[in-house]
Amino acid sequence: KQEVTQIPAALSVPEGENLVLNCSFTDSAIYNLQWFRQDPGKGLTSLLLIQSSQREQTSGRLNASLDKSSGRSTLYIAASQPGDSATYLCAVRQGSGGGADGLTFGKGTHLIIQP
Amino acid sequence: KAGVTQTPRYLIKTRGQQVTLSCSPISGHRSVSWYQQTPGQGLQFLFEYFSETQRNKGNFPGRFSGRQFSNSRSEMNVSTLELGDSALYLCASSLGASGGANVLTFGAGSRLTVL
Repeated sequence: KQEVTQIPAALSVPEGENLVLNCSFTDSAIYNLQWFRQDPGKGLTSLLLIQSSQREQTSGRLNASLDKSSGRSTLYIAASQPGDSATYLCAVRQGSGGGADGLTFGKGTHLIIQP
Repeated sequence: KAGVTQTPRYLIKTRGQQVTLSCSPISGHRSVSWYQQTPGQGLQFLFEYFSETQRNKGNFPGRFSGRQFSNSRSEMNVSTLELGDSALYLCASSLGASGGANVLTFGAGSRLTVL
């Protein structure tokens, strides 16, 4: 059974710092890995999707890497801003049998950027 | 372009009752999946539908069921409600079936409270 772990569970940093969020998964047979953010009381917003054949994806100040063999992904946020405050979730989609399964999520990293 | 719409946003039920939640995907999206989010378990996959067929199902009891209509709208039903069913139920849609580079777009969720 796939398990996804995110470290740290919570993080508070001053504005402007670069930071790294970590995600690890136990089964490397994945189709893709996605990073989401969730704001309080709201749904999830997709940030980046990395297919199993890719090593990294970039969008603006965000960069996500994937090392499938070691079961790890990192989300790098450059020049953090207060608007980046949210819970960041890592999720993997794993294939089995005749098709891909649903997403398996980590518990998230609650990020606070101090102005 | 309208996003994923979930109704109702909030509802309160008592134990033993049943509930039906509705999800309207983004126009043109044919895949709809459902997730349950609780503080203790985090986000857990319920099921996924594509072209009116259930493609995947998570590890939930038979009290949880769903369906998808020809216009891709989806409903999920929970019968014989238990206190532990209190959660945020999230719906997500994507253009194609699961796997590959199909990015999920989530709705704001339906928050169910069971008393």
